[in-house]
Amino acid sequence: ELKVEQNPLFLSMQEGKNYTIYCNYSTTSDRLYWYRQDPGKSLESLFVLLSNGAVKQEGRLMASLDTKARLSTLHITAAVHDLSATYFCAVDHSYSGNTPLVFGKGTRLSVIA
Amino acid sequence: GAVVSQHPSRVICKSGTSVKIECRSLDFQATTMFWYRQFPKKSLMLMATSNEGSKATYEQGVEKDKFLINHASLTLSTLTVTSAHPEDSSFYICSTSRASGSNEQFFGPGTRLTVL
Repeated sequence: ELKVEQNPLFLSMQEGKNYTIYCNYSTTSDRLYWYRQDPGKSLESLFVLLSNGAVKQEGRLMASLDTKARLSTLHITAAVHDLSATYFCAVDHSYSGNTPLVFGKGTRLSVIA
Repeated sequence: GAVVSQHPSRVICKSGTSVKIECRSLDFQATTMFWYRQFPKKSLMLMATSNEGSKATYEQGVEKDKFLINHASLTLSTLTVTSAHPEDSSFYICSTSRASGSNEQFFGPGTRLTVL
């Protein structure tokens, strides 16, 4: 059974601080996705990581993928309140074409002043 | 702009009634669409895979007679919650991806179902 584990599940951090969210998965997939969800809203795509060593950055967020370790990280730099949300990582359910995703439990981030 | 739309965005119904949720792919034809359910403060759980022109594939533990899926066209999949009960109250989200490329999923805005 494919498993996707995120940690921490809850994160309270001060504005201006840095932190990393970790995502471990049990498959040999070389594709991993990060999403953001605000309360009451659907998922917003943040990053699509398609190969070993992939690194992508958008603003204060940077995501990386190590397929050998089956690990992805989402690094937050100098957090601001607007980053407060729940962050999910996900991997492909299978290798064939249009396939659903298997999600981690999510990391609920709260950035406080 | 939005790639996937859902309707309605929010519905409140009485126990025992049926509710239909529509999911439309706006940018491309989608032979396959996925339906997820999310309970409060939980992650997304795949309910079923909707296949255009054929029967849906349901995940273990999801009752196919209760959650009817119809994918009659290349841009529309519908999920009907039959004889809804309070425990069916949840956030229902559909998604799809382009047939080629990264399998990046485009998610609909979700439908909040509340069964009284």
